[in-house]
Amino acid sequence: GQQVMQIPQYQHVQEGEDFTTYCNSSTTLSNIQWYKQRPGGHPVFLIQLVKSGEVKKQKRLTFQFGEAKKNSSLHITATQTTDVGTYFCAGEGVDNQGGKLIFGQGTELSVKP
Amino acid sequence: DAGITQSPRHKVTETGTPVTLRCHQTENHRYMYWYRQDPGHGLRLIHYSYGVKDTDKGEVSDGYSVSRSKTEDFLLTLESATSSQTSVYFCAISDIGSGTQYFGPGTRLTVL
Repeated sequence: GQQVMQIPQYQHVQEGEDFTTYCNSSTTLSNIQWYKQRPGGHPVFLIQLVKSGEVKKQKRLTFQFGEAKKNSSLHITATQTTDVGTYFCAGEGVDNQGGKLIFGQGTELSVKP
Repeated sequence: DAGITQSPRHKVTETGTPVTLRCHQTENHRYMYWYRQDPGHGLRLIHYSYGVKDTDKGEVSDGYSVSRSKTEDFLLTLESATSSQTSVYFCAISDIGSGTQYFGPGTRLTVL
């Protein structure tokens, strides 16, 4: 079945450093979504990418969707302690029904002040 | 946050006992989902619903059943709990099939 792999599993950075997490799907996706989960919390939607090669920005966060619609990345510029948490990508297959999402394993980001 | 609650928030039970988790929404969203979250596995879909009495299996459905008799409630039942079902369970809702999913606060279940 469809699989979504996400790397790295953990990332420790010094405050002010950049951070990137990568997501790769075994099949072509109709869209990809990114979620953030703070420690002890629940996943919260960040963004959805739909178009091939799409790039979206939210302040210091930059999201990309690959040309083949099988990979995606999230880049954070100049991390802050408020960025701490686990970032998940979630993909929906092109033949999907019911809005099922396949989540990556997540990248846990820790930021040292 | 979307109007979505889960109950109970924490539960400890013994192997072999039945357990029912409840997800309640006040958003009138059509789609509802049950996930489990375990270290190293991210979020894995157990079952989902695309309307009242309309449900389907996810990737890890063995040992779980669901019911949705009203738009606002989606129940997850473990007929005979096992230690491998110790996990954090999240409910999510969505108004359209390819839209944003809004997650509940989660239920931490421990099966001894």
